[in-house]
Amino acid sequence: EDQVTQSPEALRLQEGESSSLNCSYTVSGLRGLFWYRQDPGKGPEFLFTLYSAGEEKEKERLKATLTKKESFLHITAPKPEDSATYLCAAVSGGYNKLIFGAGTRLAVHP
Amino acid sequence: ETGVTQSPTHLIKTRGQQVTLRCSSQSGHNTVSWYQQALGQGPQFIFQYYREEENGRGNFPPRFSGLQFPNYSSELNVNALELDDSALYLCASSTGQEETQYFGPGTRLLVL
Repeated sequence: EDQVTQSPEALRLQEGESSSLNCSYTVSGLRGLFWYRQDPGKGPEFLFTLYSAGEEKEKERLKATLTKKESFLHITAPKPEDSATYLCAAVSGGYNKLIFGAGTRLAVHP
Repeated sequence: ETGVTQSPTHLIKTRGQQVTLRCSSQSGHNTVSWYQQALGQGPQFIFQYYREEENGRGNFPPRFSGLQFPNYSSELNVNALELDDSALYLCASSTGQEETQYFGPGTRLLVL
């Protein structure tokens, strides 16, 4: 069965303290690995799509990487406004169905 | 912000009632997917519509049904509401040619 697991469940950082979030996936025929940011009570906001192992994408303080079994979201020198839940999702199979992990709740304190 | 809108933003129903949630897709997107997100969990796929036809379905019972209209707006209908149906319901739109899905703000449903 296709599965996506994220760790840690929650992460507390001081402003400027870099860290990484992990997303491990077990899917047959990965078509894409997605990262979203979700603020409380709102819909997920698209961040990145990765398609093949070795691929990397960056946006401001965030960088996403992909291996054959995992994806990492690296956060460099985070600011309080980076506090949110970060969701990872995989797409496999014949149609565009996102399989989500439970998310990592990130809190960045000044 | 994406161009995906949802209505209503919040809704309170009682067990056994029926509810209809609405979604307007981003301009140019012909595919809509619906997800259910329980508190503290990731979204779970309900179903997807492409050009007004159901294109795929997750592990949800038949009392969850949907429609997509020629203008690509969409509805999610839930009959015989149960307490466990309380959740944030999200719709997401995409084109048929790419996988990236753009989400609306969601409808928060509370079943009492």
